[in-house]
Amino acid sequence: EPEVTQTPSHQVTQMGQEVILRCVPISNHLYFYWYRQILGQKVEFLVSFYNNEISEKSEIFDDQFSVERPDGSNFTLKIRSTKLEDSAMYFCASSPFYTNRGRGETQYFGPGTRLLVL
Amino acid sequence: GNSVTQMEGPVTLSEEAFLTINCTYTATGYPSLFWYVQYPGEGLQLLLKATKADDKGSNKGFEATYRKETTSFHLEKGSVQVSDSAVYFCALSALNTGGFKTIFGAGTRLFVKA
Repeated sequence: EPEVTQTPSHQVTQMGQEVILRCVPISNHLYFYWYRQILGQKVEFLVSFYNNEISEKSEIFDDQFSVERPDGSNFTLKIRSTKLEDSAMYFCASSPFYTNRGRGETQYFGPGTRLLVL
Repeated sequence: GNSVTQMEGPVTLSEEAFLTINCTYTATGYPSLFWYVQYPGEGLQLLLKATKADDKGSNKGFEATYRKETTSFHLEKGSVQVSDSAVYFCALSALNTGGFKTIFGAGTRLFVKA
């Protein structure tokens, strides 16, 4: 069964450094997302991406964050200058084209990248 | 806006006990409803889903029914096992101005004792 993959599984970085988290969505999916989960807290939406542009972003997704689909398979999240509070698990997700007449689509989540900022 | 509220944990049960985790939602339009499970140290796994009113999602002995009249999607299992110990997230997905996104509840941690 196809699945979303993410690399690396763990990343440790120094405050102020740039990090790039990588995701390979399911191959025929068209919608891509990033979420984060601070330890012990709820999963929060960061950004959605469709047709090579951002569809929606949350208040968390400020100018320090960017997303890109550099080729036909990868979807990346870049944090330009990491802060201590960026330490979290970051989940990538993807979903197929609208098939459900406007009803919510199932998003398939990757295993996550645990980011620790020191 | 859209939101999900689920019962606070932790919930501690003995093996073979009956499980209910309550979940209610607020949404405009026609959301789909989901339960995700997160085992210790792992990512999010889709446990079950329901896409319209009165649908029942089921998987691995867990089930939940989409109740539009009470805006609820309670998770149930008749006989829990130690291996069910995890955090359970109720979630909804609905179309909004920017497309779809999933809104998660706060999660309910379940401990099952042998």
